[in-house]
Amino acid sequence: AQTVTQSQPEMSVQEAETVTLSCTYDTSESDYYLFWYKQPPSRQMILVIRQEAYKQQNATENRFSVNFQKAAKSFSLKISDSQLGDAAMYFCAFHTNAGKSTFGDGTTLTVKP
Amino acid sequence: DAGVIQSPRHEVTEMGQEVTLRCKPISGHNSLFWYRQTMMRGLELLIYFNNNVPIDDSGMPEDRFSAKMPNASFSTLKIQPSEPRDSAVYFCASSLSAPPNQPQHFGDGTRLSIL
Repeated sequence: AQTVTQSQPEMSVQEAETVTLSCTYDTSESDYYLFWYKQPPSRQMILVIRQEAYKQQNATENRFSVNFQKAAKSFSLKISDSQLGDAAMYFCAFHTNAGKSTFGDGTTLTVKP
Repeated sequence: DAGVIQSPRHEVTEMGQEVTLRCKPISGHNSLFWYRQTMMRGLELLIYFNNNVPIDDSGMPEDRFSAKMPNASFSTLKIQPSEPRDSAVYFCASSLSAPPNQPQHFGDGTRLSIL
């Protein structure tokens, strides 16, 4: 069974500062993909960033980057230069070859002006 | 491009009634997912289709829930009979191909309230 743990139910960051959201997972699979999704108050889930488990290089997408530690099964999301529009609930997710998708419980990020 | 379209956006009904949620995936996407989101249990995968065929329905809570995908452009999630504990936001998502490497594109969700 796959599990995804987001240990921070809530996080807060000052506008323009950097924040890191943590995510750990557990699986026996060797081939999988990890994702961070963002869910603003509008409720729509939006892809933030994706990481292939076989790649050692950390994925980067503009102000968003991940710190992927495969041995530790850790997949944290760093948001640089935080903006008010980054305020949302962030979900870490794990997708396997068998089609199984497992999401964490989410971290609510507040951005203070 | 149109995203994943779900209807209705909100549904309020009395327990015991049949509820049907609808989803139109993004054109060209081969995989479709139904999720349920609650405060208590977070985001749970209910069922996953690939090329209109159900691949994994192990997340479907019980026999009261059923899902169909009669063609590549339409899917339904049905609850019969509905119960108050089914109240949640139900999301449909689609992806370009079978997992795991393609991101899922989510609809806006259906907020279901069972009285």
